[in-house]
Amino acid sequence: GAGVSQSPSNKVTEKGKDVELRCDPISGHTALYWYRQSLGQGLEFLIYFQGNSAPDKSGLPSDRFSAERTGGSVSTLTIQRTQQEDSAVYLCASSWESGTGGQPQHFGDGTRLSIL
Amino acid sequence: DQQVKQNSPSLSVQEGRISILNCDYTNSMFDYFLWYKKYPAEGPTFLISISSIKDKNEDGRFTVFLNKSAKHLSLHIVPSQPGDSAVYFCAASEGTGKLIFGQGTTLQVKP
Repeated sequence: GAGVSQSPSNKVTEKGKDVELRCDPISGHTALYWYRQSLGQGLEFLIYFQGNSAPDKSGLPSDRFSAERTGGSVSTLTIQRTQQEDSAVYLCASSWESGTGGQPQHFGDGTRLSIL
Repeated sequence: DQQVKQNSPSLSVQEGRISILNCDYTNSMFDYFLWYKKYPAEGPTFLISISSIKDKNEDGRFTVFLNKSAKHLSLHIVPSQPGDSAVYFCAASEGTGKLIFGQGTTLQVKP
């Protein structure tokens, strides 16, 4: 079956531009997560959506970052006025209902974002 | 403050031998732990998990051990195979979907 799909796979943009990253989760998964991995680092939690509940935005590094999830499926992560430190691989994951931490998250292959 | 730490950036083992990857954590509220494997240019792939009420979970060649008093977990791979060469991440959760990851350990299995 189809896994988590992310687009674009690579994005190069100039400092100061806005970017949108898209994630299509596995069908039926109610939870969706965004992480990022900077060079040589582990994965850093950004935000997660669980059903109709308010998203947990506690990992967003600044107010330039926002995310939405429409219709309980596709999600878009938006970074406004990009900075060079935003360069990273942005990973999306989905899972069955979370809340217990016991559901493994399934990851997409990520979007490699490079800010010039 | 890094709540999940993998202190060994890399590990090299011979094919057929055991690989042991280690992970330490500081947050006593973590109640669920997972290991992921990552190949270059791909997303992490779930390997195995363990709940804090257990001290061992086994799945084929992979076994995870949890020592809550030491706040330490380890992943054993036996026998190791060249295809196991990848970056391994441990992750922990407080009972929500939010995962806290370690920095990863690069495993190289030599033929």
